[in-house]
Amino acid sequence: RKEVEQDPGPFNVPEGATVAFNCTYSNSASQSFFWYRQDCRKEPKLLMSVYSSGNEDGRFTAQLNRASQYISLLIRDSKLSDSATYLCVVNAKGSARQLTFGSGTQLTVLP
Amino acid sequence: DVKVTQSSRYLVKRTGEKVFLECVQDMDHENMFWYRQDPGLGLRLIYFSYDVKMKEKGDIPEGYSVSREKKERFSLILESASTNQTSMYLCASSFTGVGEKLFFGSGTQLSVL
Repeated sequence: RKEVEQDPGPFNVPEGATVAFNCTYSNSASQSFFWYRQDCRKEPKLLMSVYSSGNEDGRFTAQLNRASQYISLLIRDSKLSDSATYLCVVNAKGSARQLTFGSGTQLTVLP
Repeated sequence: DVKVTQSSRYLVKRTGEKVFLECVQDMDHENMFWYRQDPGLGLRLIYFSYDVKMKEKGDIPEGYSVSREKKERFSLILESASTNQTSMYLCASSFTGVGEKLFFGSGTQLSVL
């Protein structure tokens, strides 16, 4: 089983739609969880950290389910500019320094 | 703003050549990382360093070495480049601590012919 697994997609959704991605992780001792965004031919950039209580940043909501070992990202009212690859990132080896990336979920928002 | 600078955006080398990829960060971060990114495989950690002259192997260190002589600079070395090392190489840095985010450079697309 991979340490961090994501559905690669692609997810093609119309503008204004709500879309959700899940990511599962294998190490129950993991403590740090993030969603990064990567635009085509660009470097990854932090979208949001994921906290135990869940957190929201505008149209984006991230949640953590420790019992089932997954994190989720919900995007409401999708914009064309949300088109990107979304990377799930976890300290899957238990070290704060060493983060493991999922292979990413590709989202395309269509006009 | 944190800046992580990689020396080259595109690089073309021949099989067997020694290749140096340089990365410099300006935020006094303790940790620096080298990843490679390949389609369908995502980002995979090659090496990381948590202090000057300290290094640890990541998931795929074979065929690579690293050097960190100064805190701000972390170099990735391909001793004898091979075609299967053709990839996008991304450098990143961070502070130490749970929840500390990574800052990435813009990447070096290396082609080994």
